[in-house]
Amino acid sequence: GQQLNQSPQSMFIQEGEDVSMNCTSSSIFNTWLWYKQDPGEGPVLLIALYKAGELTSNGRLTAQFGITRKDSFLNISASIPSDVGIYFCAGFPYAGNNRKLIWGLGTSLAVNP
Amino acid sequence: KAGVTQTPRYLIKTRGQQVTLSCSPISGHRSVSWYQQTPGQGLQFLFEYFSETQRNKGNFPGRFSGRQFSNSRSEMNVSTLELGDSALYLCASSLVMTGANNEQFFGPGTRLTVL
Repeated sequence: GQQLNQSPQSMFIQEGEDVSMNCTSSSIFNTWLWYKQDPGEGPVLLIALYKAGELTSNGRLTAQFGITRKDSFLNISASIPSDVGIYFCAGFPYAGNNRKLIWGLGTSLAVNP
Repeated sequence: KAGVTQTPRYLIKTRGQQVTLSCSPISGHRSVSWYQQTPGQGLQFLFEYFSETQRNKGNFPGRFSGRQFSNSRSEMNVSTLELGDSALYLCASSLVMTGANNEQFFGPGTRLTVL
């Protein structure tokens, strides 16, 4: 099935560092979503973006809807151990069946205390 | 308010068997979507049910089926299991049909292992 290109695949950082990850597509999306999944749990929505250029924050997390509508970025500032997990981007394509949420393969984040 | 619950949490089956997984959405939510999650393919959409009707379907073979009851609880069934069906099966509920501006809430998933 269709997938988003998410990078990096994994990150290992020191506590207190900032983190950046991104998601790209070859086609236009009209909604971008960022989820976090902890071990043994389902994904939890962190930030939702609905307009090109939109910049939204949720605590130490900031995400942006790219101007081209083909990409999105998630930044985590001053990372802490509980940030560990897998971060997924997801979105609804502009064209086609826009009720099918398309997902990236995830960025696995490890934080060294 | 209770979250999305899925049962069982873990399941081991052998090839050729069939399996039924259950999902209870958040109270008041009428849409239930099912996803298959594997390390190599990520989350792949299986189908969505709303008001007891399948409204949307992913690209999975007919061995994968589902249904929704009048209380919005949903079940998915996989017949003639194959090794490649081993995955985490996630259920997500939302107030109305999936779409922009309508958040999905996920359950913890059912880990299916096919031997």
